[in-house]
Amino acid sequence: GQNIDQPTEMTATEGAIVQINCTYQTSGFNGLFWYQQHAGEAPTFLSYNVLDGLEEKGRFSSFLSRSKGYSYLLLKELQMKDSASYLCAVREAAGNKLTFGGGTRVLVKP
Amino acid sequence: DTGVSQDPRHKITKRGQNVTFRCDPISEHNRLYWYRQTLGQGPEFLTYFQNEAQLEKSRLLSDRFSAERPKGSFSTLEIQRTEQGDSAMYLCASSLDAGNYGYTFGSGTRLTVV
Repeated sequence: GQNIDQPTEMTATEGAIVQINCTYQTSGFNGLFWYQQHAGEAPTFLSYNVLDGLEEKGRFSSFLSRSKGYSYLLLKELQMKDSASYLCAVREAAGNKLTFGGGTRVLVKP
Repeated sequence: DTGVSQDPRHKITKRGQNVTFRCDPISEHNRLYWYRQTLGQGPEFLTYFQNEAQLEKSRLLSDRFSAERPKGSFSTLEIQRTEQGDSAMYLCASSLDAGNYGYTFGSGTRLTVV
């Protein structure tokens, strides 16, 4: 079976940092993805990790620990436009489907 | 190429009616996926194709749902005898084999069954 857990909602202040955790239990592992989804819109790709460690991409960074079944997405210098849902997804086998967590809704306040 | 296109954007139908949605993937992408998403939840896998072959179908998908990708290009998803519980956003996505960028999603078709 598959289980991907992430917090339902987080609130942070503009300019601050927020860390969204994701834990997973899957029968296989071939990559972890983070997507951003604004209300009423399609998910858009943010980051991909397949090896342990930190991947940095501008204000966004993503970390993976395969032994712990754990990832986080770090959003720095928060802007109001970062208010959205953030989806963690795991690919169990190469070229296979993604399984998504329930998403974390981030609300950025002035 | 303008990305993944889905049609229609919105569909309101009466319970018991059949509906069909269309997805046009990015032209060079050989994999096409259908997901369903309800409010406040993550996308739930329905089925996927590699070229014209349907490789996997979710166990959660009842016999009322069927999908095709006849020439390995566009795909259709049909729901027969719709129920109120079918109300959701239906998302289509496409990718290259084992792409490290995951999927490119379309804007979705929002289905409301009344």
